[in-house]
Amino acid sequence: QQQVKQSPQSLIVQKGGISIINCAYENTAFDYFPWYQQFPGKGPALLIAIRPDVSEKKEGRFTISFNKSAKQFSLHIMDSQPGDSATYFCAASIGTSGSRLTFGEGTQLTVNP
Amino acid sequence: EPEVTQTPSHQVTQMGQEVILRCVPISNHLYFYWYRQILGQKVEFLVSFYNNEISEKSEIFDDQFSVERPDGSNFTLKIRSTKLEDSAMYFCASTSGYFQPQHFGDGTRLSIL
Repeated sequence: QQQVKQSPQSLIVQKGGISIINCAYENTAFDYFPWYQQFPGKGPALLIAIRPDVSEKKEGRFTISFNKSAKQFSLHIMDSQPGDSATYFCAASIGTSGSRLTFGEGTQLTVNP
Repeated sequence: EPEVTQTPSHQVTQMGQEVILRCVPISNHLYFYWYRQILGQKVEFLVSFYNNEISEKSEIFDDQFSVERPDGSNFTLKIRSTKLEDSAMYFCASTSGYFQPQHFGDGTRLSIL
């Protein structure tokens, strides 16, 4: 029940295209959903996060869509750039302090020039 | 921008030896975490630490593992008797409070021979 399922495992997109990564969770106690970006040899870096009281959050080219009833959330990267090529992880936690992050399996995104 | 720093970046140790991984969290953060990432896999939670005690630990965090905040700035993870399967990237993270993002260091690559 603690799992977060992420798909696809890998994604290849042309420059300027839209990248979409999906996640699903089971634990209804989760109430904080961040997305992290990880480059090789680096730690995960927070990209954008959402709480379930909103259905969508947009920051620049990055948008999270959240469907509470379906227990799913997704990351959309608009106008994808080669510099966006990285591994993306969705995560979930119970927002009270000290709560662990439960990560999805990761999506390796490649944006071709 | 403040960041989480980890040392060493790479640690090579013989099986059965003790290893200490070190982290300096962001200075005004109160909650500290260790995660690990086996090559090509997702990030897994190990332990969280608040107010000088463990607040949560995973099933991975067995009696071979311990954490300590020996002074006001450092946060350490000790593995008492390393096994081959302990080979992984170990990430330290910290956060300031409720629904605030966890900030990750760049990790220590631990290689057990």
